[in-house]
Amino acid sequence: QSVLTQPPSASGTPGQRVTISCSGSSSNIGSDYVYWYQQLPGTAPKLLIYTNNQRPSGVPDRFSGSKSGTSASLAISGLRSEDEADYYCATWDDSLGVWVFGGGTKLTVL
Amino acid sequence: EVQLLESGGGLVQPGGSLRLSCAASGFTFSNYALSWVRQAPGKGLEWVSGISYSGGSIHFADSVKGRFTISRDNSKNKLYLQMISLRAEDTAVYYCARNLAYSYGSNYGMDVWGQGTTVTVSS
Repeated sequence: QSVLTQPPSASGTPGQRVTISCSGSSSNIGSDYVYWYQQLPGTAPKLLIYTNNQRPSGVPDRFSGSKSGTSASLAISGLRSEDEADYYCATWDDSLGVWVFGGGTKLTVL
Repeated sequence: EVQLLESGGGLVQPGGSLRLSCAASGFTFSNYALSWVRQAPGKGLEWVSGISYSGGSIHFADSVKGRFTISRDNSKNKLYLQMISLRAEDTAVYYCARNLAYSYGSNYGMDVWGQGTTVTVSS
């Protein structure tokens, strides 16, 4: 059972906009920045979004992040086949004193 | 190019030991905190341990506390994870990751990840 809750799966057709939610509590999302990672099959995680809504250089602006209270969301617009991957949210938990991750959301592009 | 390259994984019996290494290049190693994150087969990500830029501050997940030790050699640009009393549930791909700044804690998530090294604990 992950500290952060994500839907196990999401899907969309090419060109669509999809959102992936991440729910936490006051000791994690509610008090710290949220990060999002993309993990393509058989590869290492890659940073997609940092400090809630910032994109590292090289990440397309189709990817955006937001946070409100104890929840966060990752939005992907103009969905492409290469976006098919697992997506994880992460944040520091002040009570546990560790980085915590969501269980991951498998995105399928139909 | 910023790179992290893990090594040292393998098959080990329950109760055994293993030392993982992570070689860094392309950035000023001594300026950044580092973390180890693992992923059990078919499962999600779990943060295992973190170490500050100087090595003066370290932290572990409860699941490995007392069994794993993290260290770094800033003169060699290397990070280590010493694992003892290994259990079947430690079986995972272990990733080395760079934190955004000098600390591994709040506000400083992981931006660069290595390709991972696989640890299998089985008899």
